[in-house]
Amino acid sequence: GEDVEQSLFLSVREGDSSVINCTYTDSSSTYLYWYKQEPGAGLQLLTYIFSNMDMKQDQRLTVLLNKKDKHLSLRIADTQTGDSAIYFCAEINNNAGNMLTFGGGTRLMVKP
Amino acid sequence: KAGVTQTPRYLIKTRGQQVTLSCSPISGHRSVSWYQQTPGQGLQFLFEYFSETQRNKGNFPGRFSGRQFSNSRSEMNVSTLELGDSALYLCASSSAGSANTGELFFGEGSRLTVL
Repeated sequence: GEDVEQSLFLSVREGDSSVINCTYTDSSSTYLYWYKQEPGAGLQLLTYIFSNMDMKQDQRLTVLLNKKDKHLSLRIADTQTGDSAIYFCAEINNNAGNMLTFGGGTRLMVKP
Repeated sequence: KAGVTQTPRYLIKTRGQQVTLSCSPISGHRSVSWYQQTPGQGLQFLFEYFSETQRNKGNFPGRFSGRQFSNSRSEMNVSTLELGDSALYLCASSSAGSANTGELFFGEGSRLTVL
């Protein structure tokens, strides 16, 4: 089946930029997503990118998509302690309805 | 605009019992999908409903079932509960019709503990 991979852990200092990376295998992916999960909570949609785009910026968040290498990244500028959470990358294939395939999540720790 | 509402938020059951979880999507959204989140397996797709019809199903045993009502609210049911069914069950809502148009919003989840 299709696969989405992420590194497990990232630690940064407050004020620095964070870059969370993700790779996927489905060449038919139509949308790619970033979700944030805080302890005890559900998934918060941060941003998503259509597969024919290579970049999307939304305030402190920048998503880069390299479709050739099937690589997605999320950059958080000026990282704050409130950004500490688990970040999930996910992809969807238009042929499969609204079925998301998730990565295992990257735990971001922001040190003051 | 209200978000995705899941009830109950927490519940405890014993092995062999059955459980029903409810999800009310964002107003106007007709697609509801369900996911199971566990520490060992991560986030796994259970099923998706659109206009009261199951459109996709993940790789889960028949003990897991669901349905969608005419007002787009959805329920999922797990029968003959096992310890391994302990998980956070998440519901996602989308306005997408025959093709996905981007935004999928999740609820806060229902945390099920099976003793």
